[in-house]
Amino acid sequence: AQSVTQLDSHVSVSEGTPVLLRCNYSSSYSPSLFWYVQHPNKGLQLLLKYTSAATLVKGINGFEAEFKKSETSFHLTKPSAHMSDAAEYFCVLNTGGFKTIFGAGTRLFVKA
Amino acid sequence: DTAVSQTPKYLVTQMGNDKSIKCEQNLGHDTMYWYKQDSKKFLKIMFSYNNKELIINETVPNRFSPKSPDKAHLNLHINSLELGDSAVYFCASSQLAGDPLEQYFGPGTRLTVT
Repeated sequence: AQSVTQLDSHVSVSEGTPVLLRCNYSSSYSPSLFWYVQHPNKGLQLLLKYTSAATLVKGINGFEAEFKKSETSFHLTKPSAHMSDAAEYFCVLNTGGFKTIFGAGTRLFVKA
Repeated sequence: DTAVSQTPKYLVTQMGNDKSIKCEQNLGHDTMYWYKQDSKKFLKIMFSYNNKELIINETVPNRFSPKSPDKAHLNLHINSLELGDSAVYFCASSQLAGDPLEQYFGPGTRLTVT
């Protein structure tokens, strides 16, 4: 069965410190994985995507994620958090076809 | 230019009413989707259309009926609204299924049923 688990429902960091948002997946097929960000009262915006090329993927706004098949993980990181990063983040799995599976989301809080 | 647009942005209505939400994309995509986001921010796919043909129909009450008049539009009609229908509904679009299935989302429609 295909599934996505975001290990933290919320993460709180101080401005200027690193961000780590964790995502594990389960898939019988080669996955495509995505991270989306949702700012308050806004739609979802694609941050980055992994297909099958490089395992370290760079996205917008300084975010990156590393695909680790042995750990079935696709954690999102950023070296230095900014206040504008405060939002909800979704890890998303697609195993081919039209259907995508969303994780439950991780709310990122950034303290001044 | 707005890629995926939805109207209305907010919709407040009473139980038992029938309402529609419209979605349009100008990206030339072949596939469109409707998602429901509940109060806990959980996103669940409801429907997907590819070239006006229904391809995904999750376990959704038949009070919900999607309609795709053309590739660029996917509307959602809801009959006999219930309190539990209150949520944010997102429309999205993508190219044909493939590698990767990158979706573009609309701004959402916040539906409140009283």
